[in-house]
Amino acid sequence: EAGVAQSPRYKIIEKRQSVAFWCNPISGHATLYWYQQILGQGPKLLIQFQNNGVVDDSQLPKDRFSAERLKGVDSTLKIQPAKLEDSAVYLCASSEQGNTEAFFGQGTRLTVV
Amino acid sequence: GESVGLHLPTLSVQEGDNSIINCAYSNSASDYFIWYKQESGKGPQFIIDIRSNMDKRQGQRVTVLLNKTVKHLSLQIAATQPGDSAVYFCAENSGNTPLVFGKGTRLSVIA
Repeated sequence: EAGVAQSPRYKIIEKRQSVAFWCNPISGHATLYWYQQILGQGPKLLIQFQNNGVVDDSQLPKDRFSAERLKGVDSTLKIQPAKLEDSAVYLCASSEQGNTEAFFGQGTRLTVV
Repeated sequence: GESVGLHLPTLSVQEGDNSIINCAYSNSASDYFIWYKQESGKGPQFIIDIRSNMDKRQGQRVTVLLNKTVKHLSLQIAATQPGDSAVYFCAENSGNTPLVFGKGTRLSVIA
């Protein structure tokens, strides 16, 4: 079974630029999460989708972050404009449903300079 | 808000010894708990999970214990190996709420 795929693996941008991350969850998984993991900390949820609907985006900085899952499969996370404090690993995860095991991708390491 | 946290940020264990990693949670409504292992440069990897209707669950070399009275979760690793060196996170949720992660414990195995 293929795992959660994320791209790119690494991205370096200057502050005030925009960036987008892509996630392809495990086939058949209805729930998709985006987490932000700052160095030395645990992952922090940004947004949770159930199929193509948003379940929880309470911790998403909506002035600069946006995410979509239009067809209920792949998802993109965008940051515009980026700030230095956005430097982190952005992890995508998926699960069959809300309260079952979530599988994580390898993440995208973003460095904002 | 309520959160999940870990007692110890680092743990050093001699190869072959047993490891115990602890986690405290504060959300009394939590009914599902997971332990993840995260190696450098990788995403968290599922180790073992437990639901609130259980006190103990065993896997291959790992055991998770849940004490709902004191809201405490632990991960026991038997015969710790160098490949077990990583950061371990506990995570919890209830119903369809998102997984909430603790800060992590770094396990270092001394050969």
